[in-house]
Amino acid sequence: AQKVTQAQTEISVVEKEDVTLDCVYETRDTTYYLFWYKQPPSGELVFLIRRNSFDEQNEISGRYSWNFQKSTSSFNFTITASQVVDSAVYFCAQSTSGTYKYIFGTGTRLKVLA
Amino acid sequence: NAGVTQTPKFQVLKTGQSMTLQCAQDMNHEYMSWYRQDPGMGLRLIHYSVGAGITDQGEVPNGYNVSRSTTEDFPLRLLSAAPSQTSVYFCATRSVSTGANVLTFGAGSRLTVL
Repeated sequence: AQKVTQAQTEISVVEKEDVTLDCVYETRDTTYYLFWYKQPPSGELVFLIRRNSFDEQNEISGRYSWNFQKSTSSFNFTITASQVVDSAVYFCAQSTSGTYKYIFGTGTRLKVLA
Repeated sequence: NAGVTQTPKFQVLKTGQSMTLQCAQDMNHEYMSWYRQDPGMGLRLIHYSVGAGITDQGEVPNGYNVSRSTTEDFPLRLLSAAPSQTSVYFCATRSVSTGANVLTFGAGSRLTVL
């Protein structure tokens, strides 16, 4: 069975600190996709990144970076020099290629304090 | 370009009442789905559709009906609302023909059942 675990329920940091959000997934499939979504206080869900299971290269986009490690079944998300606007709930999700089901983690609430 | 439009944004029902949450998209996406978001539970798939006339159950389908008569619309029906259906509901769509499997979400509908 597929499962996505975000063990950190809530994290609080002070502005400009770096923070890493953990995501551990379980799947027996060889071809799958991993996603991160952001849900700001306004409530909408915003897509951040997609990774496929054959691409283990780390990704950097501005202050955001993602570390995908198949050996540990993890897809962690790091925010460098956090800002108050980063305060949100972040969801990790997994989907197997050729299916239409997406498994979401329970989310991590990030609070960035000024 | 409206993207994914959900109505209503807020609704209060009494136990036993029926209602329909509407989802409309103008992106010509074949895949449409409904999720519910509950505290500590993440997002859970209720029903999904990969085209007009085709629907399938997700993880938590009980108490909900769907139909897909057009590409653009995917309504979610609650025939007899229960307090356990108090939740935030999200419609999500994606393209199937292009292979792009990133979900695009609507703004959400908050439902309270008294």
